[in-house]
Amino acid sequence: GENVEQHPSTLSVQEGDSAVIKCTYSDSASNYFPWYKQELGKRPQLIIDIRSNVGEKKDQRIAVTLNKTAKHFSLHITETQPEDSAVYFCAASKRSGAGSYQLTFGKGTKLSVIP
Amino acid sequence: ETGVTQTPRHLVMGMTNKKSLKCEQHLGHNAMYWYKQSAKKPLELMFVYNFKEQTENNSVPSRFSPECPNSSHLFLHLHTLQPEDSALYLCASSRREPGTAFTGELFFGEGSRLTVL
Repeated sequence: GENVEQHPSTLSVQEGDSAVIKCTYSDSASNYFPWYKQELGKRPQLIIDIRSNVGEKKDQRIAVTLNKTAKHFSLHITETQPEDSAVYFCAASKRSGAGSYQLTFGKGTKLSVIP
Repeated sequence: ETGVTQTPRHLVMGMTNKKSLKCEQHLGHNAMYWYKQSAKKPLELMFVYNFKEQTENNSVPSRFSPECPNSSHLFLHLHTLQPEDSALYLCASSRREPGTAFTGELFFGEGSRLTVL
């Protein structure tokens, strides 16, 4: 089945610096890659996603890049702010044996932005 | 406006108890999911319901029994759980386009924190 590896598990950056979180996936058939943000005690929420027919997508300070050949994708946060502190999960969507798509999540990266 | 509501938020139960977790979505979605979130582990998909029909059961032990009476409500019935089942159980919903397999954005509830003694 699909396996998603996420690194690093923890990341501390100074406010204003950039943060990069990387994920690799194993199933070349995966074609949808969302990123979810989970603040402490809160629910995970989608912040950005990318489909396999696109190499890069940007939304204000957040960008995601995808390298299908290498089977890895990354989340980039620029000009980090304290409110960016949270756990970030990457995921890859694969088609299951039942014929539907399901997400396989990485273990998460705890990002701390130091004021 | 929360969209997806889960109750109870916290539950403590003994290994011989029977309890249920409830999820309700007010977003008009047609797919609902149960995920298990344990410390330092990925979010684990447990069950998927599309249009009230269960389409995925990711080798979940029978002590977890889902029920989806309609597209807005999802239950997880718990019976004879083990301490290792202690975790945050997250419900999610999405709008799945008929005729496609695309999951769509998941909208999560706040979760039910389960402790099994």
